[in-house]
Amino acid sequence: GAGVSQSPSNKVTEKGKDVELRCDPISGHTALYWYRQRLGQGLEFLIYFQGNSAPDKSGLPSDRFSAERTGESVSTLTIQRTQQEDSAVYLCASSLVFGTGGSGNEQYFGPGTRLTVT
Amino acid sequence: DAKTTQPPSMDCAEGRAANLPCNHSTISGNEYVYWYRQIHSQGPQYIIHGLKNNETNEMASLIITEDRKSSTLILPHATLRDTAVYYCILSYNTDKLIFGTGTRLQVFP
Repeated sequence: GAGVSQSPSNKVTEKGKDVELRCDPISGHTALYWYRQRLGQGLEFLIYFQGNSAPDKSGLPSDRFSAERTGESVSTLTIQRTQQEDSAVYLCASSLVFGTGGSGNEQYFGPGTRLTVT
Repeated sequence: DAKTTQPPSMDCAEGRAANLPCNHSTISGNEYVYWYRQIHSQGPQYIIHGLKNNETNEMASLIITEDRKSSTLILPHATLRDTAVYYCILSYNTDKLIFGTGTRLQVFP
């Protein structure tokens, strides 16, 4: 079946510009997550959405970063006034069930959006 | 910070079993052990998870010690395509995954 998709796959932008990254989760998955991976580094959690609850924004590095999710579907991560340190691969993941830790909580990742800020 | 400890790198001959260890001595009673891997330039891929019983699926087996302080991921017949960074992660509600540095597994011909 269809997995998590992200667009664009690559984005080059000038410093100071705003960018929007899109994530389409697996249909029916109630939880959606955004992570960032800088070159040669591990994944850093940014934000997650689960159902109709308020999102956990604890991983967002600054107020230039924001994200929205419409219902249990597509999510958009927005970075305003981009800086060179924002250059990274932005990864989205979704999971079927939030909570309990049992089956269905495994996260399925998209291919990522590679953002380059010049 | 990640609550698991893994060796930074391992080698394995193609066709042999790859045994990847993970220490998690401070695991809580309700935390699951999850394994993911990341092949170069791709998003992480879920492999397997378990609570206290050994688990097996089409990709791998997971052996968790009785005291749950350590576990081993077993790839029974490693192939070149299994070359990746493998992450052992503790999680309860999987509200977010805390990725450590993982083990870089190199499978050689």
